[in-house]
Amino acid sequence: DVKVTQSSRYLVKRTGEKVFLECVQDMDHENMFWYRQDPGLGLRLIYFSYDVKMKEKGDIPEGYSVSREKKERFSLILESASTNQTSMYLCASSSRAQPQHFGDGTRLSIL
Amino acid sequence: QKEVEQDPGPLSVPEGAIVSLNCTYSNSAFQYFMWYRQYSRKGPELLMYTYSSGNKEDGRFTAQVDKSSKYISLFIRDSQPSDSATYLCASRDSGSARQLTFGSGTQLTVLP
Repeated sequence: DVKVTQSSRYLVKRTGEKVFLECVQDMDHENMFWYRQDPGLGLRLIYFSYDVKMKEKGDIPEGYSVSREKKERFSLILESASTNQTSMYLCASSSRAQPQHFGDGTRLSIL
Repeated sequence: QKEVEQDPGPLSVPEGAIVSLNCTYSNSAFQYFMWYRQYSRKGPELLMYTYSSGNKEDGRFTAQVDKSSKYISLFIRDSQPSDSATYLCASRDSGSARQLTFGSGTQLTVLP
């Protein structure tokens, strides 16, 4: 079974902090994704990566950056956290054209 | 207009009922269609994966795609309380192996 692990289930940070969300997959997948999920808005793609050190912007990249130094690990960075970034963050991975598999999410609160 | 539209519900049904969950999409290039199930406080879990038009069955679940009307359906037979979750439809085209377009999800409750 595919295993996508997000480092924290719940996280509370303060406005202006730099926040790191980590995601690791164990299936040697080329593609990795970061989404945020908000009530009524569904899943929105923030960034994705199709190879080590490669990244592409999704639909809502503003205020975020990503890092992929190793194939199995994809990090989402909130450069200066703001209250409107309070959300559920979901990481996913996939192999080439196969469906995406998700982690259990990080519920992030920015105070 | 969103590319994938999904009735958010909530939908409540008695145990044993047949459930029909539906999405419509507007992008004619979409070729691959997925249904994910998401339990509260968990990530989405892939339930069904289909290509182009037609039906696919897996146990109590049947996914149906009608490309002529741009309609995606998920049927759940003999629904169980354990089926209570949010169901998300998703689509992508053949050229975009990476990006999915999601519906906003339908919240289903199966009452014992």
